Amino acid sequence: NAGVMQNPRHLVRRRGQEARLRCSPMKGHSHVYWYRQLPEEGLKFMVYLQKENIIDESGMPKERFSAEFPKEGPSILRIQQVVRGDSAAYFCASSPVAGSQAGELFFGEGSRLTVL
Amino acid sequence: TQLLEQSPQFLSIQEGENLTVYCNSSSVFSSLQWYRQEPGEGPVLLVTVVTGGEVKKLKRLTFQFGDARKDSSLHITAAQPGDTGLYLCAGTSGTYKYIFGTGTRLKVLA
Repeated sequence: NAGVMQNPRHLVRRRGQEARLRCSPMKGHSHVYWYRQLPEEGLKFMVYLQKENIIDESGMPKERFSAEFPKEGPSILRIQQVVRGDSAAYFCASSPVAGSQAGELFFGEGSRLTVL
Repeated sequence: TQLLEQSPQFLSIQEGENLTVYCNSSSVFSSLQWYRQEPGEGPVLLVTVVTGGEVKKLKRLTFQFGDARKDSSLHITAAQPGDTGLYLCAGTSGTYKYIFGTGTRLKVLA
């Protein structure tokens, strides 16, 4: 499967635990986006990364949330000390281009986090 | 803050009917995209429009970008149950950041 791969697809955590979501972009793509989607809503931008660099994290809460895209391996979205309000679907998208080009975003199937 | 409002939020129609979904903003976008998302999956790109007034057709779907590049519409002719899904518009102002609309959830009944 050459598409964007996200895992786990479903994750259940208790309040206070950590959630770690992984995203492997499409082959050849070096731009990764993370979006969050609540039920019946659109996607909210969280963070945009290129290899080893966070370009824009303006949509990500300053506390408890962090993201990385190392030189080797998948991009990781980490949520520490989860609360019930973190329950959502988290989508990763990758793109081969950035900047002013109207590139297509290729989305993974999402990771659905449920906080008990 | 750039916002994209979609209307209607929900739409339930019979097979064979026509429908139009709207995506509006007070901001100008350099390009606008439409995605469709099915339950349990990620959004999939349908079309990208970049020129004010541009019209693109994809089988029974017709997409239009407003002259001022602040709004867009999606028209579906003779809707089919397979068109059921969440339709999302997404705009960018020439940077990497894609702002997604609030979504229109369409259900086509057989």
